[in-house]
Amino acid sequence: GENVEQHPSTLSVQEGDSAVIKCTYSDSASNYFPWYKQELGKGPQLIIDIRSNVGEKKDQRIAVTLNKTAKHFSLHITETQPEDSAVYFCAARKLNTGTASKLTFGTGTRLQVTL
Amino acid sequence: DSGVTQTPKHLITATGQRVTLRCSPRSGDLSVYWYQQSLDQGLQFLIQYYNGEERAKGNILERFSAQQFPDLHSELNLSSLELGDSALYFCASSVVGSGETQYFGPGTRLLVL
Repeated sequence: GENVEQHPSTLSVQEGDSAVIKCTYSDSASNYFPWYKQELGKGPQLIIDIRSNVGEKKDQRIAVTLNKTAKHFSLHITETQPEDSAVYFCAARKLNTGTASKLTFGTGTRLQVTL
Repeated sequence: DSGVTQTPKHLITATGQRVTLRCSPRSGDLSVYWYQQSLDQGLQFLIQYYNGEERAKGNILERFSAQQFPDLHSELNLSSLELGDSALYFCASSVVGSGETQYFGPGTRLLVL
């Protein structure tokens, strides 16, 4: 089955710096790659996603890049703020027909933004 | 607020017991997904239902079962509970299934003593 690896497991940056989290996936049939942010005591919240027909997507301070050949994708957060501190999960979805869907998650990155 | 609700928020029970977790999807969403999040296993997909029928299965134990009712809410039943079942259980929903964004609920924290 699909396997998603995520690095680093923890990341500490100073406010205003950039943060990069990287993921690799194993199944070349995967075609959808969302990123979720999980704050303490809450469920994961989608922050950005990318599909395999696109190489990069940006939403304000957040961007995601995808390299299908290398089977890796990355989350970039610029101008980090204290409220960006959370656990971030990447995920990959294997191409399925019909209504079946299964997300495989990475192990998470705990991002801490220090003042 | 994602629009997905889960009850209860917290649950404390003993080994060998049975519990039921409940999830109400976002209005209009037909698919419901269950995930288990534990410290050593991360977020693990358990099972998906679409419009009342099982659609995809992950690493769900035989002691666990789920169903989706005609009003689209879903229940996850955990029986013969073991200490290792202590975890956060999340429900997510999406409009259809393949290709659709999954929105997560706030989770149920289960502690088995």
